[in-house]
Amino acid sequence: DTAVSQTPKYLVTQMGNDKSIKCEQNLGHDTMYWYKQDSKKFLKIMFSYNNKELIINETVPNRFSPKSPDKAHLNLHINSLELGDSAVYFCASYDQGRNTEAFFGQGTRLTVV
Amino acid sequence: GDSVTQMEGPVTLSEEAFLTINCTYTATGYPSLFWYVQYPGEGLQLLLKATKADDKGSNKGFEATYRKETTSFHLEKGSVQVSDSAVYFCALSEVQGAQKLVFGQGTRLTINP
Repeated sequence: DTAVSQTPKYLVTQMGNDKSIKCEQNLGHDTMYWYKQDSKKFLKIMFSYNNKELIINETVPNRFSPKSPDKAHLNLHINSLELGDSAVYFCASYDQGRNTEAFFGQGTRLTVV
Repeated sequence: GDSVTQMEGPVTLSEEAFLTINCTYTATGYPSLFWYVQYPGEGLQLLLKATKADDKGSNKGFEATYRKETTSFHLEKGSVQVSDSAVYFCALSEVQGAQKLVFGQGTRLTINP
């Protein structure tokens, strides 16, 4: 039973398209994140939501829009995809109230051609 | 801002060799420190953590000690196995507020039989 699951695992799309990546956690955590891992394996936080409220928004182009319909889901929508958006995107969850470790999904490898 | 610096990779060792991966950090407060591991094709998994100075985190034969005086959290293992081949990430998070993980650049470790 996967704790943090992302779909799809792989996504290949053309420049200019709009795409979404979905994330769900079944751990009952109150906080969810999106991280981006570039081709050199460098990981950087993009967004964080706590109980559906945006609490961290790093310097990310506004083509990226996270949406949290409930505290178990955090989706990432990307408009007008560019070549530089190619990366692996990781979802993670954490419980701020219980100060647990962060659990990561398996990642979505996005390739923009 | 906060930052984490890891030793450059890749690192290649023979089975049963001693492993050290250096990690130093810069932080304004008193962060928690983590080592995450990413096996090929998988997401990140927490390997070990330490939340205050002089704490030692340990798991699966790996150890790291939180050294406030040298702002370091070096990862060590006495005898590595082929199955330890992975990318290792050192990370920190501030204790207060949302857990925002700041990662080092990752160190790719390959263990040869």
